[in-house]
Amino acid sequence: NAGVTQTPKFQVLKTGQSMTLQCAQDMNHEYMSWYRQDPGMGLRLIHYSVGAGITDQGEVPNGYNVSRSTTEDFPLRLLSAAPSQTSVYFCASSYSSGGYYGYTFGSGTRLTVV
Amino acid sequence: TQLLEQSPQFLSIQEGENLTVYCNSSSVFSSLQWYRQEPGEGPVLLVTVVTGGEVKKLKRLTFQFGDARKDSSLHITAAQPGDTGLYLCAGKTGTASKLTFGTGTRLQVTL
Repeated sequence: NAGVTQTPKFQVLKTGQSMTLQCAQDMNHEYMSWYRQDPGMGLRLIHYSVGAGITDQGEVPNGYNVSRSTTEDFPLRLLSAAPSQTSVYFCASSYSSGGYYGYTFGSGTRLTVV
Repeated sequence: TQLLEQSPQFLSIQEGENLTVYCNSSSVFSSLQWYRQEPGEGPVLLVTVVTGGEVKKLKRLTFQFGDARKDSSLHITAAQPGDTGLYLCAGKTGTASKLTFGTGTRLQVTL
């Protein structure tokens, strides 16, 4: 099925470890974003991209790195995991047309840092 | 940082009741979206409102965008257990990659 695919679904890391959360979309969307979701705080934007080769920081970028070498893929790297990065991470892709835009979210990665 | 406050945070009602969820901000948004999220899944888009004062209906759900484009409401008529979930509003000011999400309203509808 078309959509946004995130892997892994669950992950446990030790403090200081690094890892990459994968995100791929097959809808040829220009825009892609990473959000984290914590209880009582909604979703907060980590990094976003408006096209291949172009990325920018969102609201909470510290400790995370991204790159966008292709339209389809937008991986999120945790450089040195900390307990404060325990969260559920969502990748989203979106299009924009005539003032309207549509977001499609992946099913999330639940990350625990111990 | 633009904030979107949603109220109430939690709502537990019985099947058949009506409810309204509010989404308020001090910032102006060019458009606003409402999402529903179920446990273990990502948010799913319900509606986008673009014009101040705009009202959109989706079956038993009615969405309104405030005249000043700073607030929005979601009204559900005759709630059903299938409406249970986390409802999120999200405002857009810049590119389609940047949405500001509200704090969420968790709705539980029981028989």
